[in-house]
Amino acid sequence: GAVVSQHPSWVICKSGTSVKIECRSLDFQATTMFWYRQFPKQSLMLMATSNEGSKATYEQGVEKDKFLINHASLTLSTLTVTSAHPEDSSFYICSARGGGRSYNEQFFGPGTRLTVL
Amino acid sequence: AQSVSQHNHHVILSEAASLELGCNYSYGGTVNLFWYVQYPGQHLQLLLKYFSGDPLVKGIKGFEAEFIKSKFSFNLRKPSVQWSDTAEYFCAVTPGGTDKLIFGTGTRLQVFP
Repeated sequence: GAVVSQHPSWVICKSGTSVKIECRSLDFQATTMFWYRQFPKQSLMLMATSNEGSKATYEQGVEKDKFLINHASLTLSTLTVTSAHPEDSSFYICSARGGGRSYNEQFFGPGTRLTVL
Repeated sequence: AQSVSQHNHHVILSEAASLELGCNYSYGGTVNLFWYVQYPGQHLQLLLKYFSGDPLVKGIKGFEAEFIKSKFSFNLRKPSVQWSDTAEYFCAVTPGGTDKLIFGTGTRLQVFP
């Protein structure tokens, strides 16, 4: 149980285009989803927290107009990188947290590698 | 600045050697503590977690960690590593009153047969 998927697993796009990444909780309802960014040989940095049906809360320094997050259902959150540039190239990881006994535990997706040319 | 520190960036061991990976945090008050593992090409998996109670926590695959409040530490240990333990290990903290996971920089463990 507690499986989180991401799609796509990797994407290459041209500078200036927008890219959408999906995060799904496959076997549980995720009241909260988190989006992280991981640079090579570095740790995961939290970008934003999204709760189903409400606006995402962004961490300091993360541009909310550039990284659009939508959490429209209890099993799906999307991250859209708008007008992507080469410096947005990174590994994006989502996690999901359910309710009940697993409230304090986040389950991670496999990540999406974005390369912007 | 408040942070999570993992001082061992790269550890190389032979099979059957004992392992201890350090993790220190600088948040005051109540914290929840986690160790995650990322095997090559795979997603993050939870090894163990501490919320309260017995400060010695046992996790999966023979790993354990000890919470020492006075030292703000949560070191990961395993008495005898295997080649299959080769992976990246991340310590993470949820500061009290928040639901954010703050990750350390990670430790790359390589185990040679």
